Amino acid sequence: DSGVTQTPKHLITATGQRVTLRCSPRSGDLSVYWYQQSLDQGLQFLIQYYNGEERAKGNILERFSAQQFPDLHSELNLSSLELGDSALYFCASSARPNPGDEQYFGPGTRLTVT
Amino acid sequence: SQQGEEDPQALSIQEGENATMNCSYKTSINNLQWYRQNSGRGLVHLILIRSNEREKHSGRLRVTLDTSKKSSSLLITASRAADTASYFCSYSGAGSYQLTFGKGTKLSVIP
Repeated sequence: DSGVTQTPKHLITATGQRVTLRCSPRSGDLSVYWYQQSLDQGLQFLIQYYNGEERAKGNILERFSAQQFPDLHSELNLSSLELGDSALYFCASSARPNPGDEQYFGPGTRLTVT
Repeated sequence: SQQGEEDPQALSIQEGENATMNCSYKTSINNLQWYRQNSGRGLVHLILIRSNEREKHSGRLRVTLDTSKKSSSLLITASRAADTASYFCSYSGAGSYQLTFGKGTKLSVIP
């Protein structure tokens, strides 16, 4: 158990809909990362927050947004969903903002868009 | 793409044999890490090697790094069925805030 929690575990929704994925980092970790893992694209970095502020952006679509709240939990919002958004979404946390530090991954949210 | 490449894509070995996976990358890096992922689960950090290190050991794991060739290898000795998983290398480039993951090697250890 990494100490990182993600909810929900599974999510099935229709195209055009909007969903929110939630992540609680490990106790004491200030940095949260979001990743998308699909069969064709592999594991892609989406966005990083550190202590409530956006730190780095990766291959995140404009339809996607995220935020980190004062209690350090983070939410990833996916809107106008398309079939291609079906994937595993992971969040990870670390103590410092350095991406090269060891990251602790949550169990993931499996999103299926039908 | 700056994505790393693992080689081989898939590897099947008998329990007790050694497994070697390779990772190549394209940029200058600060450090390189290896992660394991059991099917559909989150990634678990295995080992980190810094850019000024050439070799590192952790239990049955041995990692090497050759910055001149921009490559790393992960050796798992005396493999066990429980080692069956996908293995990813990841790295952050110098001055980058992103962590890049390779495409992974799927290891199957047959009892």
